[in-house]
Amino acid sequence: DADVTQTPRNRITKTGKRIMLECSQTKGHDRMYWYRQDPGLGLRLIYYSFDVKDINKGEISDGYSVSRQAQAKFSLSLESAIPNQTALYFCATSDLMRQDSSTDTQYFGPGTRLTVL
Amino acid sequence: AQSVTQPDIHITVSEGASLELRCNYSYGATPYLFWYVQSPGQGLQLLLKYFSGDTLVQGIKGFEAEFKRSQSSFNLRKPSVHWSDAAEYFCAVGRSGTASKLTFGTGTRLQVTL
Repeated sequence: DADVTQTPRNRITKTGKRIMLECSQTKGHDRMYWYRQDPGLGLRLIYYSFDVKDINKGEISDGYSVSRQAQAKFSLSLESAIPNQTALYFCATSDLMRQDSSTDTQYFGPGTRLTVL
Repeated sequence: AQSVTQPDIHITVSEGASLELRCNYSYGATPYLFWYVQSPGQGLQLLLKYFSGDTLVQGIKGFEAEFKRSQSSFNLRKPSVHWSDAAEYFCAVGRSGTASKLTFGTGTRLQVTL
């Protein structure tokens, strides 16, 4: 079974609709992230969370919100979807062990392809 | 602010040929550096990472990368490319002390001809 799962894998929606993308992980990591990928732009950070009570904006958070329901679950919402939010969305997790920073690595889910018409 | 430049958008190599993908970073302190690969329709898989120590880093699938502080570079190499290496490759930099808040390059798409 995959360590980081994302649902749905594909979604087509219309402008103005509310959409939620979900991410679950079984790695036991404290830190979770949401990115979007656009052709020619690489991955850009939307939001990140270092633990259940911690939510932080990334570089492109406008138009998005998140919820960290539990250590293992981190959801991304588009309150009113617009066409320029059409992209591939990735969830990632990491776990910084203070005694061994070499373990600090982000692991990615398979992605959700979102199309807003 | 940290930044990453991957100057080659698209590279084509023949199977069996050597490969070098370029990555230049901008960061004031000691960076954490990563290479990820994304196969078509897949998520990102970590190839290798550099945190400290030996500047030549070995990764999975026969890849290696060399950190050169004087050139602010972290180029990815493979001595002999296989057709299955066709994918998109991303370089990323994180703040010293953590891989959190990675900044990614725009990616290099590798095509392998038989």
